[in-house]
Amino acid sequence: GQQLNQSPQSMFIQEGEDVSMNCTSSSIFNTWLWYKQDPGEGPVLLIALYKAGELTSNGRLTAQFGITRKDSFLNISASIPSDVGIYFCAGPNAGNNRKLIWGLGTSLAVNP
Amino acid sequence: DAGVIQSPRHEVTEMGQEVTLRCKPISGHDYLFWYRQTMMRGLELLIYFNNNVPIDDSGMPEDRFSAKMPNASFSTLKIQPSEPRDSAVYFCASSLGTGTETQYFGPGTRLLVL
Repeated sequence: GQQLNQSPQSMFIQEGEDVSMNCTSSSIFNTWLWYKQDPGEGPVLLIALYKAGELTSNGRLTAQFGITRKDSFLNISASIPSDVGIYFCAGPNAGNNRKLIWGLGTSLAVNP
Repeated sequence: DAGVIQSPRHEVTEMGQEVTLRCKPISGHDYLFWYRQTMMRGLELLIYFNNNVPIDDSGMPEDRFSAKMPNASFSTLKIQPSEPRDSAVYFCASSLGTGTETQYFGPGTRLLVL
């Protein structure tokens, strides 16, 4: 079945550093979603990507839809303490786009 | 507008007891999803509804789990009887039926079954 593999599994960085994480799959996805989960809360959508090659920014966040449609990456520039959390990639199930396939997440810790 | 509301936020119960989790979706959203999150398995979709009708319950782990949506503003997920392995965070999410996959999550219910 479809799976999403996220790397790295966890990151510990210094405030001000840039962060890069990615999501890969052996299957093609037509949409890539990046969510962030703050500690003790539910995931919140950060960026949605709908076209291969698309590069989209949301403040200090930038995400790209890989041209093979099998990968996506998320960059965070100039990290700050509130960037702490778990970042998930997700994409719609090929057979039913209402069902999302989720990666296991990248856990980010930022040292002030 | 208020987001997705879930209650209770925390639940501690003993094995064998019935547990009921509640969710109020965002007004106007016609899709509602129940997820379970654990460290080992991540986010798993349990069931989702469209216009109050269950569409896909293939993720419900076993007959001990049941979900209902009696109206557009309320849904429940019930576990009876509960077992320690049901300990997890349960999320409710809702979305619009516009073709977008954007789902809005509630804060979750942290369930611990002793």
